Amino acid sequence: SQQGEEDPQALSIQEGENATMNCSYKTSINNLQWYRQNSGRGLVHLILIRSNEREKHSGRLRVTLDTSKKSSSLLITASRAADTASYFCATDDGYSGGGADGLTFGKGTHLIIQP
Amino acid sequence: DTAVSQTPKYLVTQMGNDKSIKCEQNLGHDTMYWYKQDSKKFLKIMFSYNNKELIINETVPNRFSPKSPDKAHLNLHINSLELGDSAVYFCASSQGRLAGSKETQYFGPGTRLLVL
Repeated sequence: SQQGEEDPQALSIQEGENATMNCSYKTSINNLQWYRQNSGRGLVHLILIRSNEREKHSGRLRVTLDTSKKSSSLLITASRAADTASYFCATDDGYSGGGADGLTFGKGTHLIIQP
Repeated sequence: DTAVSQTPKYLVTQMGNDKSIKCEQNLGHDTMYWYKQDSKKFLKIMFSYNNKELIINETVPNRFSPKSPDKAHLNLHINSLELGDSAVYFCASSQGRLAGSKETQYFGPGTRLLVL
């Protein structure tokens, strides 16, 4: 089954507003990471939160992790037009039987910031 | 000063052909990966390799084979290309494992493969 489901699938807000994206996952994890992908480009790492952490900040980004609910949220404050991109959560769930030892990505949230 | 680079950026080819995509990282990382992103933007791990161990996702057809001439390179060879192979392929690298967990991955720009 798929790990890392983002919600919502798409989000459109006005510049200056805050954007919140959620991610749910199914198995136990070592850490959870958020990545950004601009259209036609590769993924850029934003932030990593370990399983024993509950909240982490990086500039305008705030990530929370609730391992009891197997969920995480990414908050972008004071959004800018340049934040328009797709955002993916990715989980490190260790070696999984039959699976390659990479991150497991969700389908992403497409964020559009209206100027 | 690119950290992870891939060539080519675009690849258009006929069904049945054999093709390769090259990946190089200059970060000194121990582990490299190949991911496939489909038309719905879903990213799935294909392989991970750390110069000692190759781990293959069991769902990847054996027409796909990674080849690593050295620690900084992990190339992807695809034999007998099929229409369903059309996707964006991303190479990535990471330092490896720290305290048992995978650390930040650095992605290349992607190779857009179109099989006709």
